[in-house]
Amino acid sequence: GNSVTQMEGPVTLSEEAFLTINCTYTATGYPSLFWYVQYPGEGLQLLLKATKADDKGSNKGFEATYRKETTSFHLEKGSVQVSDSAVYFCALWLMDSSYKLIFGSGTRLLVRP
Amino acid sequence: DADVTQTPRNRITKTGKRIMLECSQTKGHDRMYWYRQDPGLGLQLIYYSFDVKDINKGEISDGYSVSRQAQAKFSLSLESAIPNQTALYFCATSETGDFANTGELFFGEGSRLTVL
Repeated sequence: GNSVTQMEGPVTLSEEAFLTINCTYTATGYPSLFWYVQYPGEGLQLLLKATKADDKGSNKGFEATYRKETTSFHLEKGSVQVSDSAVYFCALWLMDSSYKLIFGSGTRLLVRP
Repeated sequence: DADVTQTPRNRITKTGKRIMLECSQTKGHDRMYWYRQDPGLGLQLIYYSFDVKDINKGEISDGYSVSRQAQAKFSLSLESAIPNQTALYFCATSETGDFANTGELFFGEGSRLTVL
C-alpha cells in the first residue's frame, strides 16, 4: 500500500545547527510530496511541496528534493532557529485518490538557544 | 480571526456521552475534512465532504458521524464516546481540484477530546 515513513523524534539541535529530517515513501504511482509543519498549539500548515521527480521545494530556509530513485523527500535547513521548534509531517498525494493526503507519523524538532 | 475555526478547543467527557465537534470556515472552500491525530500515528482521515450533498467515509469512520450543514460548516459527532477516542481532532479545508495544483490543506487549531 501507499505509505510515508519518517524518522522518529524528537530531534534536538542547538540554534544554527544543520537539520535533516528523513522521509521515505512507498507508492504505487507517482506521488506529489509535501512537508507540513505544526507549531505548538496550532493546526498544520503547508511548508513546501514537490510534484515530480528532481523537483526541489523550498520555503522559509527549508528545502526538500523529490528523489524518485531512493523514494525519499528529506527535509533540510542549513541553520535552525528556536522558532523552528515544531512537529514536521511528510505527506504524499496520488492522483487516484484525489481527496486524500497520506501523512507520516511526524517528527518533533526542538531547537535550543 | 482564524479562517478555519473549531469548537470546542478542549473537552473532557465520560464514556457513553454524545459529543459534537464543530467546524466553520471563511475560506469559501467546498471541500472539508475531519482528521484525528494520535501521538506517533500522524493524522488519520475520519470523514471528508466535497460539497453539502457529498459526504464520504475516511479510513477510521467507525464510531463517528458527520453533518455538513452548509458549505461553511462541517460537524463531527461521537454518538457514544469511548476512551480510545481520546485524541486531537482537526478540521481542514481545501480548494476544489487535485493537491498537485492546490497543494494545500488548511487546518483549524484542533479540538482536544478526552474521554474518561
